[in-house]
Amino acid sequence: EDQVTQSPEALRLQEGESSSLNCSYTVSGLRGLFWYRQDPGKGPEFLFTLYSAGEEKEKERLKATLTKKESFLHITAPKPEDSATYLCAPCLNTGNQFYFGTGTSLTVIP
Amino acid sequence: GAVVSQHPSWVICKSGTSVKIECRSLDFQATTMFWYRQFPKQSLMLMATSNEGSKATYEQGVEKDKFLINHASLTLSTLTVTSAHPEDSSFYICSAGGGPTYEQYFGPGTRLTVT
Repeated sequence: EDQVTQSPEALRLQEGESSSLNCSYTVSGLRGLFWYRQDPGKGPEFLFTLYSAGEEKEKERLKATLTKKESFLHITAPKPEDSATYLCAPCLNTGNQFYFGTGTSLTVIP
Repeated sequence: GAVVSQHPSWVICKSGTSVKIECRSLDFQATTMFWYRQFPKQSLMLMATSNEGSKATYEQGVEKDKFLINHASLTLSTLTVTSAHPEDSSFYICSAGGGPTYEQYFGPGTRLTVT
């Protein structure tokens, strides 16, 4: 059975305190792994797509990496405006649907 | 990224009535649109996938007669919640995709409250 698990559920960081969010997945065939950011009451905002193990992508303070079983979202020196829920979603190679993980709620304290 | 709009952004309706939510892809032609539902403190749950000009594919457990989806053009998909009940109250979000990179671009969501 295909599964997606994100950890931790919630994370509180001091401004400048770097950390990583984890997305573990067990799927029959991966087309791509997508990361999104969601602010309260809004739709998800696209961050990254990773297609193969070993791939890395960066955007400002965020870097996403991918292995065969998990993906990490590294946040370097976060700022309060990085506070949001971060969602990962594998896309299976049997179609183009996303199956979202439960998300990590990040709070960055000034 | 692509811009997707939803209308209305919030709606309150009485139990038993129907509500239509529009999803528009403003700057690209979306061959596929997706509809999700999100309950408080929970993640997005895929309800259905619609391809332009064909019937929607519903996820297991989603009532297709209750949640009517129409994808009449490459820029517009609609979700109609028929005979809404309080348990249908939720945040409904659409996305547009179908491009070669499989990325989905999300609308801002519609908050539905059924009284």
